[in-house]
Amino acid sequence: EDQVTQSPEALRLQEGESSSLNCSYTVSGLRGLFWYRQDPGKGPEFLFTLYSAGEEKEKERLKATLTKKESFLHITAPKPEDSATYLCAAQTNTDKLIFGTGTRLQVFP
Amino acid sequence: KAGVTQTPRYLIKTRGQQVTLSCSPISGHRSVSWYQQTPGQGLQFLFEYFSETQRNKGNFPGRFSGRQFSNSRSEMNVSTLELGDSALYLCASSPMATGANVLTFGAGSRLTVL
Repeated sequence: EDQVTQSPEALRLQEGESSSLNCSYTVSGLRGLFWYRQDPGKGPEFLFTLYSAGEEKEKERLKATLTKKESFLHITAPKPEDSATYLCAAQTNTDKLIFGTGTRLQVFP
Repeated sequence: KAGVTQTPRYLIKTRGQQVTLSCSPISGHRSVSWYQQTPGQGLQFLFEYFSETQRNKGNFPGRFSGRQFSNSRSEMNVSTLELGDSALYLCASSPMATGANVLTFGAGSRLTVL
């Protein structure tokens, strides 16, 4: 069964304290691994797409990496405005997008 | 460039009633997907439409249905509402239906069933 699991469920960081979010996936024929950010009261907003193991993408303080079984979202020196829920999703070879339940990140000044 | 528009943003219904939610995709986007988001289950895929045809369907009962019009606008309907249908319903659009497409989400319609 296709499954995406994210950990931890919640993460509290001090401003400047770097950390990583994990996304483990088991899907039939990964077509792409997506990271989205969701702020309260809003829909998810696209961050990255990763296609193959070993691929990395960066945007400001965020870097996403992909292996054959999991993806990591590394947050370097986070700021309070990085507080949000981060969702990962795996697209299967039948084009279904399976989402994890997300990691709720809080960054305190 | 206008984003994905969902209406209504909030609504309250009682058990047994039905509800229709509307989604206007980004201009030029032909694929529309619907998701149900709840605190315990996260985002769960409902269905996807492309060029007025349902391409994919999630594991939801037949009370959940949808359709897409020739202008790519989409509606979803939930009949015989149950308490467990209370959720945020998100619509997302993308230019195409195949491949690793980036979804652009609307802000959602928050349904409360009493």
